[in-house]
Amino acid sequence: SQKIEQNSEALNIQEGKTATLTCNYTNYSPAYLQWYRQDPGRGPVFLLLIRENEKEKRKERLKVTFDTTLKQSLFHITASQPADSATYLCALASYGNTGKLIFGQGTTLQVKP
Amino acid sequence: KAGVTQTPRYLIKTRGQQVTLSCSPISGHRSVSWYQQTPGQGLQFLFEYFSETQRNKGNFPGRFSGRQFSNSRSEMNVSTLELGDSALYLCASSLLQSGDTQYFGPGTRLTVL
Repeated sequence: SQKIEQNSEALNIQEGKTATLTCNYTNYSPAYLQWYRQDPGRGPVFLLLIRENEKEKRKERLKVTFDTTLKQSLFHITASQPADSATYLCALASYGNTGKLIFGQGTTLQVKP
Repeated sequence: KAGVTQTPRYLIKTRGQQVTLSCSPISGHRSVSWYQQTPGQGLQFLFEYFSETQRNKGNFPGRFSGRQFSNSRSEMNVSTLELGDSALYLCASSLLQSGDTQYFGPGTRLTVL
């Protein structure tokens, strides 16, 4: 069956360090993968999109990699700050059904000062 | 541009009742998707509307329905409410289809007693 799995545990890191979040998927042929940030009580906010034929995307302190052989995406936040504390969600749109975005469960990141 | 708006923000209903939630997308966006978010199941896709037509549907019972109007505003309806329908209902709009970058509203928190 199709599955999207993110780090199941919360991630706690020290301010200034790099946070790395993982998104693994099975039985999908993703056309593209997206990362969102969600703060408590609010809707998710789009961060980055990476296509199936792209290996890496960057935006300021954020970097996403996409390995379709390993069926994995990594999301990095460099020089992390307490304001980066939130839940991060990965989402896939599959070939043949790009009209349907499927989300992982999310990883909660806590950056300690 | 104004963001996605959802009304009401909070709602309390009792089992067996029905409820209608409303969503106004970003101006110019033609696709509206609905998601249910619960602590146990995460973000789950309900359905997507584009130009007043349902284009995609998730795995939810027929009690969950929706529609889209000619101005792209959308409503979703849940009939015969069950306790398990308590959740945050999120609406998202995108330019062309739900696999594109999604812009989420703040959500409607539904509590079923």
